Amino acid sequence: GAGVSQSPSNKVTEKGKDVELRCDPISGHTALYWYRQSLGQGLEFLIYFQGNSAPDKSGLPSDRFSAERTGGSVSTLTIQRTQQEDSAVYLCASSTAPSVNEQFFGPGTRLTVL
Amino acid sequence: QKEVEQDPGPLSVPEGAIVSLNCTYSNSAFQYFMWYRQYSRKGPELLMYTYSSGNKEDGRFTAQVDKSSKYISLFIRDSQPSDSATYLCAMSLNTGGFKTIFGAGTRLFVKA
Repeated sequence: GAGVSQSPSNKVTEKGKDVELRCDPISGHTALYWYRQSLGQGLEFLIYFQGNSAPDKSGLPSDRFSAERTGGSVSTLTIQRTQQEDSAVYLCASSTAPSVNEQFFGPGTRLTVL
Repeated sequence: QKEVEQDPGPLSVPEGAIVSLNCTYSNSAFQYFMWYRQYSRKGPELLMYTYSSGNKEDGRFTAQVDKSSKYISLFIRDSQPSDSATYLCAMSLNTGGFKTIFGAGTRLFVKA
């Protein structure tokens, strides 16, 4: 079956521009996560959606970052006024429920801010 | 101090060697412990999952959790070049809406 997909796979943008990153989770997965992976830094938690509950936004690094999940499926991560330090790989993952610890990851979007 | 510490390596071993990968953590409330494997330019995939303390074996892989020492390990026996990847430890709390904390990952190279 189809796994988690993310688009675009690569994004190059200029400092100050806004970007939108998309995640299509596995069908039927109620939990969705966004992470940021920088070289040598591991995965940094950004935001977590579970069903219709209010998202856990505690990992968002600044108010320039926001995310939404429409209809309990597709999610979009938006970064406004991008900065060079936002350059990283942004990974999306989904799972069947919060009590199930296997997260299925997409291939990521590699963001480069010039 | 980070909640989860993991040596980034790289770790280079010859084919057939036993590999030991480790993480330490500071939050004694962590209950779930995972190891993910990430190949270059791919997303991580779950390799092993352990609840609380003890050992778990799956083929050539053994995961070990020592909660008293706040230390977890992944052992790979008879390592193969195809095991070359980044290995990330991860752990989460036993709460309703949970957050998983990942280590920085250890890059492993297995030489043929």
